[in-house]
Amino acid sequence: AQSVTQLDSHVSVSEGTPVLLRCNYSSSYSPSLFWYVQHPNKGLQLLLKYTSAATLVKGINGFEAEFKKSETSFHLTKPSAHMSDAAEYFCVVSGYSGTYKYIFGTGTRLKVLA
Amino acid sequence: NAGVTQTPKFRILKIGQSMTLQCAQDMNHNYMYWYRQDPGMGLKLIYYSVGAGITDKGEVPNGYNVSRSTTEDFPLRLELAAPSQTSVYFCASRGTGAHTEAFFGQGTRLTVV
Repeated sequence: AQSVTQLDSHVSVSEGTPVLLRCNYSSSYSPSLFWYVQHPNKGLQLLLKYTSAATLVKGINGFEAEFKKSETSFHLTKPSAHMSDAAEYFCVVSGYSGTYKYIFGTGTRLKVLA
Repeated sequence: NAGVTQTPKFRILKIGQSMTLQCAQDMNHNYMYWYRQDPGMGLKLIYYSVGAGITDKGEVPNGYNVSRSTTEDFPLRLELAAPSQTSVYFCASRGTGAHTEAFFGQGTRLTVV
């Protein structure tokens, strides 16, 4: 079985300060992990993905995430927040268990303060 | 390359009405999915398909039906709409490869009144 827990439903940061969005996962299989972003009233855009090639994954718009197997975590970070980063972020786990499904966390809404 | 296309973008239904949400992809993907998104709940899987003629239930299939007669299309049917089906619906597809991501449509916002 697979599951994802996003530890914060809301995060507020000031523009120019670091962003940390936390995600823990559970998987019986070697997981693939993803972060998607959803801007208001928009679809979902892939930020980055972990595929077992490297534990530190770089994505678009300056975001990166580190896969830590011992902690079952895949936290998303960005050194300096921009106003345009305000959105909802989803951590997603997938893996083969007879078929491929994507299991979503409940989301973290990021607010960026001027 | 259009990717995953959903129609309509918005719809208001009355209780008891039926409708079909359309989803088409032009990437020749075998896997297709329907999710619903409710505030604070993330996305929940309704139905999925691993290829033409093959569909299976996800976490929340009650009140919905699907079919997959072609690789490109994966419509979602709502019979006897209920207020609990008010949600945003996303269709997605996936290509081959162990670690590939899902590609999402722009969503359909459905309100049942």
